[in-house]
Amino acid sequence: DAGVIQSPRHEVTEMGQEVTLRCKPISGHDYLFWYRQTMMRGLELLIYFNNNVPIDDSGMPEDRFSAKMPNASFSTLKIQPSEPRDSAVYFCASSRAGKSYEQYFGPGTRLTVT
Amino acid sequence: QQQVKQSPQSLIVQKGGISIINCAYENTAFDYFPWYQQFPGKGPALLIAIRPDVSEKKEGRFTISFNKSAKQFSLHIMDSQPGDSATYFCAARPHSNYQLIWGAGTKLIIKP
Repeated sequence: DAGVIQSPRHEVTEMGQEVTLRCKPISGHDYLFWYRQTMMRGLELLIYFNNNVPIDDSGMPEDRFSAKMPNASFSTLKIQPSEPRDSAVYFCASSRAGKSYEQYFGPGTRLTVT
Repeated sequence: QQQVKQSPQSLIVQKGGISIINCAYENTAFDYFPWYQQFPGKGPALLIAIRPDVSEKKEGRFTISFNKSAKQFSLHIMDSQPGDSATYFCAARPHSNYQLIWGAGTKLIIKP
């Protein structure tokens, strides 16, 4: 299996621009998680999906952030408009039903907003 | 609010020594306690996990000890090697949902 795939790996954008991060979970996994990691705040769960349905988005910082999962093999996290404080590494992870403690993380997208 | 408190924030251990990282939780509504390892530039990866009805679990040089009455669990790395240098996260999964509550992480450095 190729593992969780994320793109792009690096993104540099200017404040105010729209940013879209992409994730392909491991085939057969029912749960998909989006995380943000910074030195100051550590690893934060933003949102997670079960069978393509958003279950808990309480970690989404504000309305500028949105996430979708149109099918079992694809998810996006969008930031519009982006701000410098959004600079972080964004991870996508997936897991099987019943084993959500065993999450498989992608390589992450390092986002820099200038 | 459910929390998992992890200590120390950073740890330096000599090669061959024992590395110990501790975590404590604040309620009993968790059913799994995993530990993740993260190397620079990579995503976290599951290292080992334990259920609360087990007091100890060992996988190679890595051991989780669990103290249910004290609401604490710890990771022991025996014969620590430079390749173990990474950031380690403890976590806990609540009964009521499928997300993980994460500790703040411990940056471990093994000196050769």
